[in-house]
Amino acid sequence: GEDVEQSLFLSVREGDSSVINCTYTDSSSTYLYWYKQEPGAGLQLLTYIFSNMDMKQDQRLTVLLNKKDKHLSLRIADTQTGDSAIYFCAEGGMDSSYKLIFGSGTRLLVRP
Amino acid sequence: GAVVSQHPSWVICKSGTSVKIECRSLDFQATTMFWYRQFPKQSLMLMATSNEGSKATYEQGVEKDKFLINHASLTLSTLTVTSAHPEDSSFYICSAQTSLAGIPSEQYFGPGTRLTVT
Repeated sequence: GEDVEQSLFLSVREGDSSVINCTYTDSSSTYLYWYKQEPGAGLQLLTYIFSNMDMKQDQRLTVLLNKKDKHLSLRIADTQTGDSAIYFCAEGGMDSSYKLIFGSGTRLLVRP
Repeated sequence: GAVVSQHPSWVICKSGTSVKIECRSLDFQATTMFWYRQFPKQSLMLMATSNEGSKATYEQGVEKDKFLINHASLTLSTLTVTSAHPEDSSFYICSAQTSLAGIPSEQYFGPGTRLTVT
């Protein structure tokens, strides 16, 4: 079945780069997403990548996709305290349901 | 644009009562809405998918008679937790999706509703 896994916790110092990793199992996924969730709030889409791409950069965010290893990463450059949140990766396909399968989330703590 | 609201944001109810949660797309028409449940420090688990005017499709293990979903219009879906019990306490999040020329948009998420059953 489909499964998306992430490490649970990451702590970095303000100004450093953060790298959050994710592995997935469904090779038919068309899109891979990164969402941010702040405490008590819903999910905010940060970025996404098509499965036929290797990399996507969007300001401070860089997404790398290794399709062979089914590995996805999100790099946040110059991490700020406002980046502290839970980050979820998710995979989605183009079947009739367009469902998203979420990872367990990585809690990012940015230390001043 | 693409704002999704939920109401209420927080609700406490007594065991055995029913609670209705609303999900609205404020500035677009949502052909599909999704309901998720999130336990503390855990991921989002998809409960059901609903399309306007048709019955919701529930994920395996989700009791459709307990979690009633009504997608009565293109801007409103409701989730009713019937005969709520303490184990139903959770954070419920909806998302809404539109489509253009048959191509679905991303899912736009609501802010969530925290349900506490005492």
